[in-house]
Amino acid sequence: EIVLTQSPGTLSLSPGERATLSCRASQSLSSNYLAWYQQRPGQAPRLLIYGASSRATGIPDRFSGSESGTDFTLTISRLEPEDFAVYYCQQYGGTSYTFGQGTKLEIK
Amino acid sequence: QVQLQESGPGLVKPSETLSLICTVSGASIDRGGFCWSWIRQPPGKGLEWIGFIHPGGTTSYNPSLKSRVTISADTSKSQFSLRLTSVTAADTAVYYCARRAYTSASFYFDYWGQGTPVTVSS
Repeated sequence: EIVLTQSPGTLSLSPGERATLSCRASQSLSSNYLAWYQQRPGQAPRLLIYGASSRATGIPDRFSGSESGTDFTLTISRLEPEDFAVYYCQQYGGTSYTFGQGTKLEIK
Repeated sequence: QVQLQESGPGLVKPSETLSLICTVSGASIDRGGFCWSWIRQPPGKGLEWIGFIHPGGTTSYNPSLKSRVTISADTSKSQFSLRLTSVTAADTAVYYCARRAYTSASFYFDYWGQGTPVTVSS
């Protein structure tokens, strides 16, 4: 089973700053199979990115995804107040789906 | 607009069976290209995929839960359901239903229900 490790656990930034969130896979993973979600308190997760770098419908272009080998990155170019939430990466491993443990993005 | 809505008991006794239903509107659950999924989130923790059902009725389950899980569908009602047997306190979680989509060889969960909390307690 592929394990996804997200870092940092918590990221403290201010509105207007740039956020860089990391997701590392324990073994080789096709970029097609990596997605990112945002979860605000009390809400269901919302799809942001699929295929490592494709934005979902309606997602602002300040959100972008990239990959380098087994390292995947979600970048938020300029933080808005509504962006402070928990972010999860998710992968499809051929027979199962797993999520990272999450990165909490909090206001500094 | 695709919408999913979970329903079912919020409290289940240990060793009993948890049963939830997800009602789908705005999409046909027997249309190819999509699978209908259950995902859960224990309090204060991350997300765990439970399984899904394909339009043809084929199911796929998380290996860690496979022995206790059954997912089925009633296309006439546009509903799919989750049964989890022999529950313990470790099954306490918010349970989400979600649609798994497939685009350009990518798999992802694009629509989610609001979630329903289930507590396992006597």
